[in-house]
Amino acid sequence: TQLLEQSPQFLSIQEGENLTVYCNSSSVFSSLQWYRQEPGEGPVLLVTVVTGGEVKKLKRLTFQFGDARKDSSLHITAAQPGDTGLYLCAGSPSNFGNEKLTFGTGTRLTIIP
Amino acid sequence: KAGVTQTPRYLIKTRGQQVTLSCSPISGHRSVSWYQQTPGQGLQFLFEYFSETQRNKGNFPGRFSGRQFSNSRSEMNVSTLELGDSALYLCASSSQGGDSPLHFGNGTRLTVT
Repeated sequence: TQLLEQSPQFLSIQEGENLTVYCNSSSVFSSLQWYRQEPGEGPVLLVTVVTGGEVKKLKRLTFQFGDARKDSSLHITAAQPGDTGLYLCAGSPSNFGNEKLTFGTGTRLTIIP
Repeated sequence: KAGVTQTPRYLIKTRGQQVTLSCSPISGHRSVSWYQQTPGQGLQFLFEYFSETQRNKGNFPGRFSGRQFSNSRSEMNVSTLELGDSALYLCASSSQGGDSPLHFGNGTRLTVT
């Protein structure tokens, strides 16, 4: 079983601040996805990274895949209340076939207006 | 395009009873996965169905079962309910399964009393 550890588990910051959340594993992943889940809803895909060292930007959100494809980070610039939610990373094992996605432990982010 | 639809939205059952949850995937998606989400354990993979065949299975007891119909709609069943089965059950569809991005429904909140 490949584990994805996310840190911090909880984060509460003021509107306008910057933050980074991390997703780490001892295993290599062929790709990694980030989801955001709001209360009462299912997770929604934000981005998929597939190449070691890849950086993707989604407005104020910057996602990076580690060079060794074992970790990833999500950086939010000038956080807004709408960024509040549970952030989940999910990785696919580094082999071919129909392996299921493994989800991380999650980071619950609260942005205080 | 309609999203993933899960019914019912809420369920209250008594220990020992059984329950059936339903999921209608996005049109054209052949893979349906089921997850259990609890505050303590996060998102735990139950099983994945692809073209009516169970392709992957998580580490849950045999009380948890599922099936997929020819129209890709899926059901999961939990028999002999236990208090610990109280959770949000999420269904997700994807075009091919594996590491394809998941499209989640809003879940069924099951409470076992």
